[in-house]
Amino acid sequence: KNEVEQSPQNLTAQEGEFITINCSYSVGISALHWLQQHPGGGIVSLFMLSSGKKKHGRLIATINIQEKHSSLHITASHPRDSAVYICAVRKNTGNQFYFGTGTSLTVIP
Amino acid sequence: NAGVTQTPKFQVLKTGQSMTLQCAQDMNHEYMSWYRQDPGMGLRLIHYSVGAGITDQGEVPNGYNVSRSTTEDFPLRLLSAAPSQTSVYFCASSGLGRYNEQFFGPGTRLTVL
Repeated sequence: KNEVEQSPQNLTAQEGEFITINCSYSVGISALHWLQQHPGGGIVSLFMLSSGKKKHGRLIATINIQEKHSSLHITASHPRDSAVYICAVRKNTGNQFYFGTGTSLTVIP
Repeated sequence: NAGVTQTPKFQVLKTGQSMTLQCAQDMNHEYMSWYRQDPGMGLRLIHYSVGAGITDQGEVPNGYNVSRSTTEDFPLRLLSAAPSQTSVYFCASSGLGRYNEQFFGPGTRLTVL
């Protein structure tokens, strides 16, 4: 079983919709990252969280350490948000990162 | 700052050939790592390093070697390429502190025929 699970695997939304992507993990962590990867593109860090909530523009990330769960929300979605969103955790022992398999988001105009 | 750079961007090899994927970072990061990304699977750790002269194996190290002679450079060597090594390879770096984010290179798309 993967230590980091994301849902859904695939998501299609109409432009303007509110989007939620979920990440659950089964290990103790020091931090959780949300990453974005456009088709054929590189990987960009969106957020790093160790507690609470962070907001950047239309993106909001939350984490519940007790429940070992994080969500990434996109408000007023836009076609340019179409990408794969990846959740990654850094264990609280060691320096390695562990990755979910990603959520592929398509926003239709 | 250039961040994390990788070369080449694309490479085609024949089975049995060897090659080195280059990775460099200019952020003075101690931690560097190599991942492979395959369809339907998350990024998988191949090898990593926590500083010059120190390397360790990740989840899928077989068929790959690394070295870390300087803080900046972390090359990945394929010793004898196999079709199963067809993948997209990403190099990444971060500071060693618990709350340091990772920065990724642009990736190398490798095809082994």
